Amino acid sequence: SQKIEQNSEALNIQEGKTATLTCNYTNYSPAYLQWYRQDPGRGPVFLLLIRENEKEKRKERLKVTFDTTLKQSLFHITASQPADSATYLCALSSGNTPLVFGKGTRLSVIA
Amino acid sequence: SAVISQKPSRDICQRGTSLTIQCQVDSQVTMMFWYRQQPGQSLTLIATANQGSEATYESGFVIDKFPISRPNLTFSTLTVSNMSPEDSSIYLCSVELTDREPDTQYFGPGTRLTVL
Repeated sequence: SQKIEQNSEALNIQEGKTATLTCNYTNYSPAYLQWYRQDPGRGPVFLLLIRENEKEKRKERLKVTFDTTLKQSLFHITASQPADSATYLCALSSGNTPLVFGKGTRLSVIA
Repeated sequence: SAVISQKPSRDICQRGTSLTIQCQVDSQVTMMFWYRQQPGQSLTLIATANQGSEATYESGFVIDKFPISRPNLTFSTLTVSNMSPEDSSIYLCSVELTDREPDTQYFGPGTRLTVL
């Protein structure tokens, strides 16, 4: 069956370091992969989308990679700040199918 | 950017009753989606609501339990019927915005439902 796994439920990191979150999938051929941020008591907020023919995408301090051979996406936050503390969700779609979300990784950036 | 609001923001309900959740967008959108997020779980799509047609439900969700209305391009409701404690969850609506990157979704703040 199709499965999306985000590598850990929680990740603690020191301020200023690079946070790296992992999203692995099985039995999927995604057309694109997305990353969202969710703060407590709020709906998810779209961050980045990367398509199957793209290897890397950047937006300010964020970088996403997509390896369809490894079936993996890495999400990096450079120069992390306490304000980056949140839950980060990855989501996949095959293009003509609904988005399927992972459970998320709760990131805590410690000052 | 588009504003997506939901009412109520939270509610505590008794077993066997029904609750209708409203989702309002300040611009016209074609696709609206309803999700459930149970504690510690990922977002699960309940149904896609298109204006002028019946909602499309995902496996495990049925219209009798989760009736949806979509009377126009800015509004939708989701009803959680004959509730049980297992329905306690956060319910979220989302939309696709035509002036944004295709295939991305924008979410409302959610409705936190507790069923006693």
